Amino acid sequence: EPEVTQTPSHQVTQMGQEVILRCVPISNHLYFYWYRQILGQKVEFLVSFYNNEISEKSEIFDDQFSVERPDGSNFTLKIRSTKLEDSAMYFCASSNRGRDEKLFFGSGTQLSVL
Amino acid sequence: ELKVEQNPLFLSMQEGKNYTIYCNYSTTSDRLYWYRQDPGKSLESLFVLLSNGAVKQEGRLMASLDTKARLSTLHITAAVHDLSATYFCAVNFGNEKLTFGTGTRLTIIP
Repeated sequence: EPEVTQTPSHQVTQMGQEVILRCVPISNHLYFYWYRQILGQKVEFLVSFYNNEISEKSEIFDDQFSVERPDGSNFTLKIRSTKLEDSAMYFCASSNRGRDEKLFFGSGTQLSVL
Repeated sequence: ELKVEQNPLFLSMQEGKNYTIYCNYSTTSDRLYWYRQDPGKSLESLFVLLSNGAVKQEGRLMASLDTKARLSTLHITAAVHDLSATYFCAVNFGNEKLTFGTGTRLTIIP
């Protein structure tokens, strides 16, 4: 079965550094998302992306965050000037028909900010 | 405020027993999703419920949606150890995002 792949699986960074989390969505999917989960807490929406632009973003997704689809396959989340509270598992997800279909989630990137 | 609440938060049940997890949400929606998460792993889609009265079943799990009551249930029949995981419901409130519930950590004991 096709899957969403994320790299790296773990990322450790110093506070104030920039990180880029990478995702390869399922190839025929059109809707892309980033969610995050702080340890032991619920999953939170960050941003959705469709037709090469952000379609919705949460209040968490401030100027520190950006997303990009630099080519036909990759979808990236950049976090500038990381903070301790950015430590979380970041999940990429994709779907073919947006809200009428289930999301396929990647295996996640565990980000630890020291 | 858009809220999704699950109960119970923790559930320990014996193998072979039946139980139900409840998911309540705060305002109108007809799109509800159930996901399973194993420790340290990603989210696996279980069910997509897209209309009032929708009922879906897969193996020992059955999910239903009552949009009037703003309630979904996930029913577990004759639990087996393999079903131990955290179960999340998530609701789409008419926009692009899913709002997740708090999760129910299910432990099946022999």
